[in-house]
Amino acid sequence: AQSVTQPDARVTVSEGASLQLRCKYSYSGTPYLFWYVQYPRQGLQLLLKYYSGDPVVQGVNGFEAEFIKSNSSFHLRKASVHWSDSAVYFCAVRVIASSSFSKLVFGQGTSLSVVP
Amino acid sequence: NSKVIQTPRYLVKGQGQKAKMRCIPEKGHPVVFWYQQNKNNEFKFLINFQNQEVLQQIDMTEKRFSAECPSNSPCSLEIQSSEAGDSALYLCASSRDYTGQLYFGEGSKLTVL
Repeated sequence: AQSVTQPDARVTVSEGASLQLRCKYSYSGTPYLFWYVQYPRQGLQLLLKYYSGDPVVQGVNGFEAEFIKSNSSFHLRKASVHWSDSAVYFCAVRVIASSSFSKLVFGQGTSLSVVP
Repeated sequence: NSKVIQTPRYLVKGQGQKAKMRCIPEKGHPVVFWYQQNKNNEFKFLINFQNQEVLQQIDMTEKRFSAECPSNSPCSLEIQSSEAGDSALYLCASSRDYTGQLYFGEGSKLTVL
């Protein structure tokens, strides 16, 4: 069965420090991978996506992620976090179920707190 | 920025009451999804449309939940008889095709008392 695992439920980092949020997926097909962010009382906003090509993808607000096929991982990184990055981050894989249907399978989310 | 519009943002219902949520997908997006996000941040796929036709839906949806995506009207998700366990954030998302990026709305937060 398809699944996404985000092993860290909560992460706390100091403002200006670097960040890595971990994500591992289980899916036998070609993975389309996404990172979304959810701010309080809001919907999901796309940070970045990987479909193919360069395994390091750049996203909004200085975020990037690296697809490592051998490890089935798609970790999110940022060189220097800001207090406004505090939010819940979700990793997701798009599962293609048929020639006309697919759906997103989400991880459990990682709640990021950026402290002064 | 996403242009998926969901209304209402919040709704409060008593057990057994109907709850109806609406979604206007992004222009030009024929594929629409409804997801349920519970308080533990678990996402459950509910139903998927393409050009007003249901492609997939879960068994739960077939019993108390109903949804439609008529042409030239907002999509809707309705719970016929709300239960406490239905309290969640209901997210609508749309995309250009079945492999494309999903654009999410702000969600409708349902509280069932």
